Amino acid sequence: NAGVTQTPKFQVLKTGQSMTLQCAQDMNHNSMYWYRQDPGMGLRLIYYSASEGTTDKGEVPNGYNVSRLNKREFSLRLESAAPSQTSVYFCASSEYRGYSPLHFGNGTRLTVT
Amino acid sequence: DQQVKQNSPSLSVQEGRISILNCDYTNSMFDYFLWYKKYPAEGPTFLISISSIKDKNEDGRFTVFLNKSAKHLSLHIVPSQPGDSAVYFCAASVETSGSRLTFGEGTQLTVNP
Repeated sequence: NAGVTQTPKFQVLKTGQSMTLQCAQDMNHNSMYWYRQDPGMGLRLIYYSASEGTTDKGEVPNGYNVSRLNKREFSLRLESAAPSQTSVYFCASSEYRGYSPLHFGNGTRLTVT
Repeated sequence: DQQVKQNSPSLSVQEGRISILNCDYTNSMFDYFLWYKKYPAEGPTFLISISSIKDKNEDGRFTVFLNKSAKHLSLHIVPSQPGDSAVYFCAASVETSGSRLTFGEGTQLTVNP
């Protein structure tokens, strides 16, 4: 009963390095989302995928790319990490049908030095 | 601009008493509102929701009230328990946008034994 699984849990990068955050869900949900959480700012939507094969920008997409690999997996890539991308990243999934709550993973804590 | 605001970063209450967490929104298009609870090192978990056609929704010890004219919602927890100590996020969405949520900043609730 895993739900939404994110890897890695922690990561430290130097400025300019790249990395991919992985996310997988086993609830057969159509939609997947990437949020970042920063102190005093709540959770902000980076990118989302309403269904397999589609991706769209959210509120704060700059510096990120995403790939909806299949229905289960949605990855977030930082091509050239910056200190401003230090944050906790949460992946979530939902049915994308009207009023469907999001189900979140446990997050990836990323530090960029 | 912050469309969903939680003006109290923290709240402390005694066990057994009522906890009231508040949330204001500015976007009149929002028609679905949710509360999430978050423990440290975990992802947010869905707690309770309300659609704009209602003004109250109850689930056990948790009740959410919606005042559309004031663009205000609140979460009441009665009676409060130490295990309720967590960060509470208010979130809002528009039905036609699927499950894309706009979150408030969060309120840290501490319930003292």
